[in-house]
Amino acid sequence: AQSVTQLDSQVPVFEEAPVELRCNYSSSVSVYLFWYVQYPNQGLQLLLKYLSGSTLVESINGFEAEFNKSQTSFHLRKPSVHISDTAEYFCAVSTNFGNEKLTFGTGTRLTIIP
Amino acid sequence: ETGVTQSPTHLIKTRGQQVTLRCSSQSGHNTVSWYQQALGQGPQFIFQYYREEENGRGNFPPRFSGLQFPNYSSELNVNALELDDSALYLCASSLTSTNTGELFFGEGSRLTVL
Repeated sequence: AQSVTQLDSQVPVFEEAPVELRCNYSSSVSVYLFWYVQYPNQGLQLLLKYLSGSTLVESINGFEAEFNKSQTSFHLRKPSVHISDTAEYFCAVSTNFGNEKLTFGTGTRLTIIP
Repeated sequence: ETGVTQSPTHLIKTRGQQVTLRCSSQSGHNTVSWYQQALGQGPQFIFQYYREEENGRGNFPPRFSGLQFPNYSSELNVNALELDDSALYLCASSLTSTNTGELFFGEGSRLTVL
C-alpha cells in the first residue's frame, strides 16, 4: 500500500514571496504523482502531474514540482505567489496508471498575506 | 462540454437512515470514482466504476455501495448512516483510454449525519 505525507497543514506566505509545499510518499512500487488544488467552495482541480520522463513538471500558472525518487518527494514550489493562489493543495499518488485510484495527503492550506 | 455535476449539494440525515448521492460524469468519460473527504482530511478512495462494473474498492464497509448507469452517471448509496459518515463526498470522472492520469472532480455533496 502507498501513503502520502504533507507535513505542513497550513502555510502563510506574503504576496510575491516564494513558497514550497512539501510532499513525501511511500510505496513499494513505481508511482505516479499529482498535485491537486481546491479553491474555496470548489471541487479539486489537477495542478500538475508526474507520469514519466523529466522529473521537473510545471503548471500553466507558475507552479512547479520535482520528482525526487531517492528522497521519495514531490515538493511544490512557486517563486512568487499571488492572492489568487489562496487554496488548499493536495498531493496524491497512484500506482496503477490509466485507472487512477488516488491516495491523497491531508492537504496544505496556503494563505497569502497581502 | 459539461463538467462533473453532483446532487444534492448539501443534505442532513440522522443516524440509521440511508442516503443516495448522484453524479453526472463529464461528457465522454467512462470511469467514475467516489471519494470521501472528512473535515480537515484529504479525500479517501471509496470505489471506482468502469463500464458499469466495480473496478476497485477502498477500505470502506459494504454499507457503502454504488451503481454506474449506461450513460456513465453514477450513484453512491450509504445504508445505516453513522455519525462518522459526515463528510464531503466527491465524484470524479475520467476517460480510461486517454492515459492522461487526470481525474475531473465535481464540487461534492456535503453530508451531515446527526
